[in-house]
Amino acid sequence: AQSVTQPDIHITVSEGASLELRCNYSYGATPYLFWYVQSPGQGLQLLLKYFSGDTLVQGIKGFEAEFKRSQSSFNLRKPSVHWSDAAEYFCAVAPARGKLQFGAGTQVVVTP
Amino acid sequence: DAGVIQSPRHEVTEMGQEVTLRCKPISGHNSLFWYRQTMMRGLELLIYFNNNVPIDDSGMPEDRFSAKMPNASFSTLKIQPSEPRDSAVYFCASSPSSGTGIEQFFGPGTRLTVL
Repeated sequence: AQSVTQPDIHITVSEGASLELRCNYSYGATPYLFWYVQSPGQGLQLLLKYFSGDTLVQGIKGFEAEFKRSQSSFNLRKPSVHWSDAAEYFCAVAPARGKLQFGAGTQVVVTP
Repeated sequence: DAGVIQSPRHEVTEMGQEVTLRCKPISGHNSLFWYRQTMMRGLELLIYFNNNVPIDDSGMPEDRFSAKMPNASFSTLKIQPSEPRDSAVYFCASSPSSGTGIEQFFGPGTRLTVL
């Protein structure tokens, strides 16, 4: 069955430290891949996307993600987190037009 | 440029009442999506439209839910009658007709509470 997995439900990171959020997918072919962020009480905002080409993708707010076909992964990274990065992060995949499938999300807490 | 607009932002109603949620997609986008977010089930796609036509409504939970898109700039999601288990945040998203059309832009959501 097609699926997208975010293994970490909750991550706590110190301000200034690096952050990596994991995402694995299971599809027959390489889908389109996305990371969204949701701040409390807000809608989802697109951080970055991968369709094809360079496997290291740069996004907004200093985030990047790397697509690894061999591992069926699309992990999100940020070298130095800010308190404003505290939010919930969703990995999403789209094997076909319109059918975005979301992971369960990873809640990020940033400590001083 | 205005993003996806949803109204109301918050809705509290009693069980059995009709609820109508509204969405205005980004101008020029030709695909519109309705999602529901709950703690238990996460983000679920309910239905999506392309050029105002419903394409896939397999995520609509039951007949109490219906969605319409009478024109390119307006869509509604209706629940009649509402039940406490319908309490959730409902998001509308739109997608452009150019390029892959896969990228979706989300509205701020409507938080529905059914008592």
